Amino acid sequence: AQTVTQSQPEMSVQEAETVTLSCTYDTSENNYYLFWYKQPPSRQMILVIRQEAYKQQNATENRFSVNFQKAAKSFSLKISDSQLGDTAMYFCAFILPYGGSQGNLIFGKGTKLSVKP
Amino acid sequence: EAGVAQSPRYKIIEKRQSVAFWCNPISGHATLYWYQQILGQGPKLLIQFQNNGVVDDSQLPKDRFSAERLKGVDSTLKIQPAKLEDSAVYLCASSPGGLVGVAAQYFGPGTRLTVL
Repeated sequence: AQTVTQSQPEMSVQEAETVTLSCTYDTSENNYYLFWYKQPPSRQMILVIRQEAYKQQNATENRFSVNFQKAAKSFSLKISDSQLGDTAMYFCAFILPYGGSQGNLIFGKGTKLSVKP
Repeated sequence: EAGVAQSPRYKIIEKRQSVAFWCNPISGHATLYWYQQILGQGPKLLIQFQNNGVVDDSQLPKDRFSAERLKGVDSTLKIQPAKLEDSAVYLCASSPGGLVGVAAQYFGPGTRLTVL
């Protein structure tokens, strides 16, 4: 069974600084997708960034980038130039693109990020 | 493009009562998901539909939960009778389907259920 672990329940960062959120996962599969989702207090879950496991290049979306270490099963999120609007719960998630569990997003427990002015 | 719509946004009921949630996915999205998010945890998949057929309902407590997706568009999730431990946010998500859809699930705002 696949599992996702986020070891940092809460983090804080000063506005304009950089913060890294950690995520590890466990799977015996070779082909999968990894995601970071953001859930602000309003509750709408928003996709921040995704990584396909067969791509070695780390995904980047503006101020958000990942450090994907496939052998170590690690998938951290770096937020550069943090903004007040980045305050939210961040969830790491995993999915298999095939098989009976296709479409079953498996989430970690989340990291609550607070950006301080 | 309109996002995933859910209603109601909030619901408070007594235990043993029944409740229903409604979801309208993004137009054209073949796949629809219902997730349960208990406070302090990540969402957990309850059921996945492909058009109007069930793909995965292995984590749905079938003795009290039911879901349907008539005509492959809107979906309703029902709980009958509700228990205290059903207090959670119920999230609906949709995706285009296929491999592209696997990589892109769009979430609605959720329904917060409180069972007293």
